[in-house]
Amino acid sequence: EIVLTQSPGTLSLSPGDRATLSCRATPAVSNNFLAWYQQKPGQPPRLLIYATSTRATGIPDRFSGSGSGTDFTLTVSRLAPEDFAVYYCQQYGSSPRTFGQGTKVEIK
Amino acid sequence: QVQLQESGPGLVKPSETLSLTCTVSGGSISSYSWNWIRQSPGRGLEWIGYIYYSGSTNYNPSLKSRVTISVDTSKSQFSLNLMSVNAADTAIYYCARDRGYPHPYFDFWGQGTLVTVSS
Repeated sequence: EIVLTQSPGTLSLSPGDRATLSCRATPAVSNNFLAWYQQKPGQPPRLLIYATSTRATGIPDRFSGSGSGTDFTLTVSRLAPEDFAVYYCQQYGSSPRTFGQGTKVEIK
Repeated sequence: QVQLQESGPGLVKPSETLSLTCTVSGGSISSYSWNWIRQSPGRGLEWIGYIYYSGSTNYNPSLKSRVTISVDTSKSQFSLNLMSVNAADTAIYYCARDRGYPHPYFDFWGQGTLVTVSS
């Protein structure tokens, strides 16, 4: 089973700031099949990024993903008020599919 | 736009079977794979398993001995049965679609349903 460890646990930032979220995999993610999701209270996760760096339909270009192998990053270039939420990484390169424990981006 | 809706009891007694159904609308169930995922404060997000519309399944080994997922394409529904539940199975249960080969990420999710295991 691939274990995904996200850091930091919480990121305190202001609107307009740049957010950089990390996801580390043990062992490596096969084919870089890694996705990112955003979750707000009372809602299901929402797909942001798949295949490490491809934005899902309708996702603003301030969201970008990068990385390979064991180290992946989600970057939000300029935080909008609606971006304050919890973010999860998830690998789908091997079974069982696994999620990270999440990074909360909160308003400073 | 594909929509998924979970339904089933919100309270299940310990040692009994948790049964949930997901109804798919706005798209055909006869393609892609259909998943169950749960979320709890203690375990975070946990993938339970999927069923392909043809009936083939893949389960998380941690739950495989207790899980069955089935599909009824005539009703555009798929279902989860989790046997011998205990308090650790208390969670929000989501159904979700994955895109299948080559990128089976989860692109559509239901709103989730809270299931509490308690006597």
